[in-house]
Amino acid sequence: IVLTQSPATLSLSPGERATLSCRASQSVHNYLAWYQQIPGQAPRLLIYDTSYRAAGIPVRFSGSGSGTDYTLTISSLEPEDFAVYYCQQRSSWPGLTFGGGTKVEIK
Amino acid sequence: EVQLVESGGGLVRRGGSLRLACTTSGFTFSRYWMNWVRQAPGKGLEWVANIKEDGSEINYVDSVKGRFTIFRDNAKNSMYLQMSSLRAEDTAVYYCVRAWGAAAGIFGYWGQGTLVTVSS
Repeated sequence: IVLTQSPATLSLSPGERATLSCRASQSVHNYLAWYQQIPGQAPRLLIYDTSYRAAGIPVRFSGSGSGTDYTLTISSLEPEDFAVYYCQQRSSWPGLTFGGGTKVEIK
Repeated sequence: EVQLVESGGGLVRRGGSLRLACTTSGFTFSRYWMNWVRQAPGKGLEWVANIKEDGSEINYVDSVKGRFTIFRDNAKNSMYLQMSSLRAEDTAVYYCVRAWGAAAGIFGYWGQGTLVTVSS
């Protein structure tokens, strides 16, 4: 399953709302996760199975979607949220795939 | 606190071999699926391989099948990746990743990674 993330880059200011998209080549049946990677660091799990926040993840991060279309929303960007975000599916187990990433940069 | 520490990366010639290790602490290692995920310089993430709690099930991405071997030692709380016939395209940071709970395909905890560079 191929995951396509858009946009490639999102330029926003702190306090703004960020909406990131992940589209799958076929249904992933809500088995969709989101990860954040700050430059120079390992990725961190944010959201799993479409909408469940991982432990310690702030409520400003939320996930939604179904079928082939999924969204990660950051309700109000904090300075530490400027990073690259990846979606990942586990529907086609054992084949696990990631999207190409969306970079959220400071405008 | 869950900790994952990779080691064994370095510079290797094309066609050569390398063994990565992941030592863990802060959780019951034998209860979790474990994964290797890699990231080429400046690129995105790619799942490489995973192994079931007891080692009875193993999966690989197609591009490494027949060249890489994942295994674990539950007595040592450690996982390994034996890499052979290395290619330039295997150059990447390799992350050791623990599953999120019982969900084998969710990457819950990540190490800091170890860099493998394959030279020609």
